[in-house]
Amino acid sequence: GAGVSQSPSNKVTEKGKDVELRCDPISGHTALYWYRQSLGQGLEFLIYFQGNSAPDKSGLPSDRFSAERTGGSVSTLTIQRTQQEDSAVYLCASSPSTGHNSPLHFGNGTRLTVT
Amino acid sequence: AQSVSQHNHHVILSEAASLELGCNYSYGGTVNLFWYVQYPGQHLQLLLKYFSGDPLVKGIKGFEAEFIKSKFSFNLRKPSVQWSDTAEYFCAVNPGLSGGYQKVTFGTGTKLQVIP
Repeated sequence: GAGVSQSPSNKVTEKGKDVELRCDPISGHTALYWYRQSLGQGLEFLIYFQGNSAPDKSGLPSDRFSAERTGGSVSTLTIQRTQQEDSAVYLCASSPSTGHNSPLHFGNGTRLTVT
Repeated sequence: AQSVSQHNHHVILSEAASLELGCNYSYGGTVNLFWYVQYPGQHLQLLLKYFSGDPLVKGIKGFEAEFIKSKFSFNLRKPSVQWSDTAEYFCAVNPGLSGGYQKVTFGTGTKLQVIP
């Protein structure tokens, strides 16, 4: 079946511009996670959704970052006034539940380059 | 808050060599442990997981990992690596709490390069 889909796969933007990254999780998966992968930094947690609500936003690096999820499905991560340090691969993952034994299913990520 | 340490950042092995990648976590309670792998150009995928029971778990492609509670470790092993094992490996932990949301924390990853 279809996996987690992320778009765009690559995004180059100028410093100061806003960007929107999209994640389409596996159908029926209620939990959705955003991570950021930077060189040498591993996977940095950004935000988690259960359905449409975001009980854990603790990982968002600044108020320039926001995310929403509509209809319990598609999620959008928005970065306003992008900075060069925002350059990274942004990964989305979904899971059928928040149960502790549910592994995450990852998308291919969006590689963001801020010039 | 839990944390995960992977001390080997880059490992280079020849084919047929044995592999052991270290993973240590800090969390005082029950944990659920995972290893994920990211092959070049592909998305992260689950390699194996531990929830309870036998501390030696087997995953895909001949990989195994051993949970040693007293050492807070979950090292990944493979007796004989192949060139196709070249990838980046991530250890992850989430608290073994019943119900509710558990935050999955990842290590910084280990890049494995297998030389033919």
